[in-house]
Amino acid sequence: QKEVEQDPGPLSVPEGAIVSLNCTYSNSAFQYFMWYRQYSRKGPELLMYTYSSGNKEDGRFTAQVDKSSKYISLFIRDSQPSDSATYLCAMSALSVRGSTLGRLYFGRGTQLTVWP
Amino acid sequence: DAGITQSPRYKITETGRQVTLMCHQTWSHSYMFWYRQDLGHGLRLIYYSAAADITDKGEVPDGYVVSRSKTENFPLTLESATRSQTSVYFCASSEGPGRSYNEQFFGPGTRLTVL
Repeated sequence: QKEVEQDPGPLSVPEGAIVSLNCTYSNSAFQYFMWYRQYSRKGPELLMYTYSSGNKEDGRFTAQVDKSSKYISLFIRDSQPSDSATYLCAMSALSVRGSTLGRLYFGRGTQLTVWP
Repeated sequence: DAGITQSPRYKITETGRQVTLMCHQTWSHSYMFWYRQDLGHGLRLIYYSAAADITDKGEVPDGYVVSRSKTENFPLTLESATRSQTSVYFCASSEGPGRSYNEQFFGPGTRLTVL
């Protein structure tokens, strides 16, 4: 079983729709949860960053973390064609003690298309 | 230009050849990373570096070599390229440690084809 599972899609929605993207994970030590957005033929860029459980909102984007269910979500409200991209979840169990460096565990990414 | 750059952007090589992918960042970030991205696998960490002259293996290091003599540069070398190393390679950096470690800034990628 992979550490992080993410449905690759593709997901296609009309402009204005609410989009829900999800990841599940198996490692209960994960504390940091990120969503990266990757446009075609570009590098990923950090979109949302949350620590532990709860919600975080930034404009049309809301990230949710449910550690009890080991489940994270990204919601996009009023989706736009410019939101068309691949969305990757990432998470880590960072330790700064000693020489341990926590790696990021990425999901495979969900390809989203928002059509006008 | 400020940011993180990779060169070349596209590379075609033959099996058995040595190839070096370059990565340069202008932020003086401590941490640098090399990932490969393949369909069905997502992003996988090859090597990372916490500082100049400090490197460590990631998830898929076999067949790759890295060095970091200067903070701003982190070249990745394929010593004897194989077809299975055909992929898109991303370099990334982060300020780290702590919270900022997870805020990784990615380069534009290098598309490598091994024939």
